[in-house]
This record gives sequence, C-alpha cells and structure tokens, in this order.
Amino acid sequence: TQLLEQSPQFLSIQEGENLTVYCNSSSVFSSLQWYRQEPGEGPVLLVTVVTGGEVKKLKRLTFQFGDARKDSSLHITAAQPGDTGLYLCAAATGTASKLTFGTGTRLQVTL
Amino acid sequence: KAGVTQTPRYLIKTRGQQVTLSCSPISGHRSVSWYQQTPGQGLQFLFEYFSETQRNKGNFPGRFSGRQFSNSRSEMNVSTLELGDSALYLCASSLLQGFSRSGANVLTFGAGSRLTVL
Repeated sequence: TQLLEQSPQFLSIQEGENLTVYCNSSSVFSSLQWYRQEPGEGPVLLVTVVTGGEVKKLKRLTFQFGDARKDSSLHITAAQPGDTGLYLCAAATGTASKLTFGTGTRLQVTL
Repeated sequence: KAGVTQTPRYLIKTRGQQVTLSCSPISGHRSVSWYQQTPGQGLQFLFEYFSETQRNKGNFPGRFSGRQFSNSRSEMNVSTLELGDSALYLCASSLLQGFSRSGANVLTFGAGSRLTVL
C-alpha cells in the first residue's frame, strides 16, 4: 500500500509568515496534485505536477516535485487568513484512476 | 456551469440499515469516482465508474457498492451499516478516465454527503 506522509500535521501561524508543507513517499508517482479543502466542502485542486524537479507558482504558492518523483512541497509566502484550510497532496501511479491522498496538513492563519 | 452535486448532504442512520448516496457529475464528464473521508484514515478511494462500468476499486468490503447510469449520474450504496462507516463520502467527476503523465485530467469534487451511523 502506498503511503503519502505529510508534515506537519497542524500548523498555526500569523498573517504574513511563510510556511512549507511536505509530502513524502517511498513510491514513485506519475503525477502529484495538491488540493485545499475548506470545512463543509470538497477538496479543490490547486496544481498538478508531473515532471521530476518541476516547480510551479500560483500567486503566493510555490509547488515543487522532487527529482525522483517521490516527494513534493508546497511553500506559501506571506500567508493570509484566506489560506486557512486542509491541504492535501494526492498521487497517481501510472494511468490508474485511483488517487492516493496524503495524511493532510491543517493550516490556520490568524490576524 | 453547475458543479458536482451530491445528495443528501447530511444523513443519520442506525447500525444494520443501508444507505444510498447520489452524485450528479459536471455536464459532459463521464468518469465518477467515490472517496471516503474520515479523521483517522483520511481520504480513501472507493471506486471509479466510466461509461457505466466500474474501472477501478479500492480496498473496501463488499458492503460498499456503486453504479453509474447512462447519463453519468452515479450512486453508491452501503449495506449493513457499521459505526465505522460514519464519514464524509465525496464524489468527484472528470472528463477523462485515469491520470496521464501530462496531468491533463482534473478531478472536481462535490461537497460530500456526511453520513452518521448511530
């Protein structure tokens, strides 16, 4: 069974701080996605990374896929209260339709 | 365009009962996947349907089943409910089946059906 370990599990920071969330596995993935889920809602896709070493930026969010396609990180610059939520990484293996989700990182950004 | 619609949003059942959850995908999407989300296990894949056929199945007992209709709407059923089945059941639709190396396929999730088993 593939496992995606995310760290940290919980993160409480103040507005304006930077943070990094990690997603690690011993398995190689064909692609990896990051989602954010808010209370009462389903996860919303933020980004998909497919190439080892790839870096993608989405406004204040920077996503990186490890060279060996086994790990990924999400960096948020100058966090805002609107960034609060559960961040999930999810990986696909081959062309299978099944996604394996990470354990999740719950982020709270306070004023 | 309308998103993924799941009904009911909330429901309470007792042990031993059965439940049916419904998912209407985004118009034009032919793939529907189901996931179970619990605080202890996180998000776990249940199954995926594409063109009315189950294409992939997660590691859940046979009490969990599903189907897809010709209009791509999907239902999942859980029989003989157990306390541990209490969870948020999420449905996601996508245009394509599977995830290519290009990452072109995108899952859009519904808001979920929260099931409480007493």
